[in-house]
Amino acid sequence: QSALTQPASVSGSPGQSITISCTGTSSDVGGYNYVSWYQQHPGKAPKLMIYDVSNRPSGVSNRFSGSKSGNTASLTISGLQAEDEADYYCSSYTSSSTLSVVFGGGTKLTVL
Amino acid sequence: QVTLRESGPALVKPTQTLTLTCTFSGFSLSTSGMCVSWIRQPPGKALEWLALIDWDDDKYYSTSLKTRLTISKDTSKNQVVLTMTNMDPVDTATYYCARMDRRHDAFDIWGQGTMVTVSS
Repeated sequence: QSALTQPASVSGSPGQSITISCTGTSSDVGGYNYVSWYQQHPGKAPKLMIYDVSNRPSGVSNRFSGSKSGNTASLTISGLQAEDEADYYCSSYTSSSTLSVVFGGGTKLTVL
Repeated sequence: QVTLRESGPALVKPTQTLTLTCTFSGFSLSTSGMCVSWIRQPPGKALEWLALIDWDDDKYYSTSLKTRLTISKDTSKNQVVLTMTNMDPVDTATYYCARMDRRHDAFDIWGQGTMVTVSS
C-alpha cells in the first residue's frame, strides 16, 4: 500500500501555529475517521498525539488538534514551544488489500 | 500500566531469518479489540507498518512483505512473535511493537524499539 503524503518539513517560531497535512485516498484518510498522529523525538519511540482524527489521549496538550477534509487530514500545533520540535507521522486505517494501517512519510518540525 | 518490550538479535546475516519477541503487560490480547502490531523504521527514514495480530488471532500483513512475515501470539505468556525470512541489508532498522485498540485503529502504547542490523 502507498504511504500517506506529508510535507518533508515545516517550521515556525515560538508562540506561532503550524499545520501539517496528510493526504491519502478514499480508501484510507477520506473513507474512515481512523486517522492518528504521532510525535517522535530523536532516538525515542513514537508517541500518540491524536486519534480518530481529532481526539487527544489523556495527558496530551490541548495545543495539539486534528481535523480532516476529504482525503486530507491535518495536525495543528498552536503556541509552538521548543519541545515541539520533532518528527510527526500520520497514519490511517486502510481498506486496501492489507485491511490495516498505512503511515505517512513523516514531517520534520523545526522551531526557529 | 501498559508496557511492551521488544527483544531479539541485534545482528543478523543476509539470508537468515529474524525472530523478534514482543513481551507485554498491563493488558490481555484475548480482550476484544486488542491488537499488537510490528512497525519498523530504517535509520533516518519513516515508519513502516509490518504486521498485526488481533484478539481473535486474525493476522494482517504489509502487502510488500507478506511473503516474508509471520506473526503469532502466545496469550498465556503475553508475547507476540514476528519472524521475517531472507533478511537483507535494507531490512536494517529499529523494530517496534505497539498496542492497538481496534476501536480507534491507533497505536496508543509503543515499546522502546530494538535495532536490528543486517550485515555479513
